Amino acid sequence: DTAVSQTPKYLVTQMGNDKSIKCEQNLGHDTMYWYKQDSKKFLKIMFSYNNKELIINETVPNRFSPKSPDKAHLNLHINSLELGDSAVYFCASSQEVGELFFGEGSRLTVL
Amino acid sequence: AQSVTQPDIHITVSEGASLELRCNYSYGATPYLFWYVQSPGQGLQLLLKYFSGDTLVQGIKGFEAEFKRSQSSFNLRKPSVHWSDAAEYFCAVGPDTSYGKLTFGQGTILTVHP
Repeated sequence: DTAVSQTPKYLVTQMGNDKSIKCEQNLGHDTMYWYKQDSKKFLKIMFSYNNKELIINETVPNRFSPKSPDKAHLNLHINSLELGDSAVYFCASSQEVGELFFGEGSRLTVL
Repeated sequence: AQSVTQPDIHITVSEGASLELRCNYSYGATPYLFWYVQSPGQGLQLLLKYFSGDTLVQGIKGFEAEFKRSQSSFNLRKPSVHWSDAAEYFCAVGPDTSYGKLTFGQGTILTVHP
């Protein structure tokens, strides 16, 4: 069983479209995150949720909207996609300080 | 604001050689420090972490790291590198809460020659 699973692994879409990425963790962790890894491999936090409550919301355009229906799921919806949104988006979960378990990533390409 | 610098973008070593990857951090309080590894097409995996106590910490896959407060450094080492260690390595610093954000360095790509 994959501990943190994301779907889809690849998305290719046109500018202006809307897309969603889903994430599920079966580790029983309280905290989940979305990180964005750009083309230079720089990894930056976008959001974190603790027990379904939004804890961290970095300076992210409001076209990005996370949703946590329950503790095990954290989805990311992106409206009106732009070229600069092309990146790999990682979901992660944690229970212990700093010990993040990452999914395999979802590579988004905006054309 | 917290920040992490990994001065080496790319390091190449021969299999069996020793390895040291550098990490310098900036943090206002006592830092919690981490090293993660990312294999191609995969997510990141935690190698080791430092919270307090002994400044030399052991991790998985034979890695260790040493915290030096005076140098604001947390360098990763391995005595003998294996071809399977080829990957990208990320240093990170974070607060002492389980839901606080980690700030990652830019990563160091490790290439291992046979």
